[in-house]
Amino acid sequence: LAKTTQPISMDSYEGQEVNITCSHNNIATNDYITWYQQFPSQGPRFIIQGYKTKVTNEVASLFIPADRKSSTLSLPRVSLSDTAVYYCLVGGPNNNAGNMLTFGGGTRLMVKP
Amino acid sequence: EADIYQTPRYLVIGTGKKITLECSQTMGHDKMYWYQQDPGMELHLIHYSYGVNSTEKGDLSSESTVSRIRTEHFPLTLESARPSHTSQYLCASSDPSGGESEQFFGPGTRLTVL
Repeated sequence: LAKTTQPISMDSYEGQEVNITCSHNNIATNDYITWYQQFPSQGPRFIIQGYKTKVTNEVASLFIPADRKSSTLSLPRVSLSDTAVYYCLVGGPNNNAGNMLTFGGGTRLMVKP
Repeated sequence: EADIYQTPRYLVIGTGKKITLECSQTMGHDKMYWYQQDPGMELHLIHYSYGVNSTEKGDLSSESTVSRIRTEHFPLTLESARPSHTSQYLCASSDPSGGESEQFFGPGTRLTVL
């Protein structure tokens, strides 16, 4: 199972773009990269998923370089409500019983006014 | 509306009591999961299921047990609650096309054992 490394915490201000980078040096060929957002006292919420290059949806963009050993979640013009913990996960679509996803510690993003 | 539900949302109970945390999903997902998360800490997978009559233990040892008699229902039971079981319990299910990478989480049950 590919291990991920991401910063423990980040601070930003409203209106700024925030980029959170995740390292996953041992990513497997069939692994996807998925990001989740978690607010206090709630379950994580799927944000975005990608395999390579760039993926964009209404919430965020995900940049994945050619070697796929890292990925960057980009949140455009953050607001106070984006204050949350962001988790980076890697895993394949057909994980077997011995290869379950691990959420890790995540990155605590604090958006200040 | 397709969703995943957990009840109760909050539970305060005395030591030694038997409790069952309910989790139901209406999305037709085969795969379901239970996570345990202490405040400000990471999520730990404690149980998962690939479908009816399938249950497996996760990477964190837990004294709880689960059952999967129906696709939509994945209850978690503690036979004798202890203060060390105080935590938040999160249930999730995954879309067959997305695999484990796309998990949909319930709101969680915050359990306090006195």
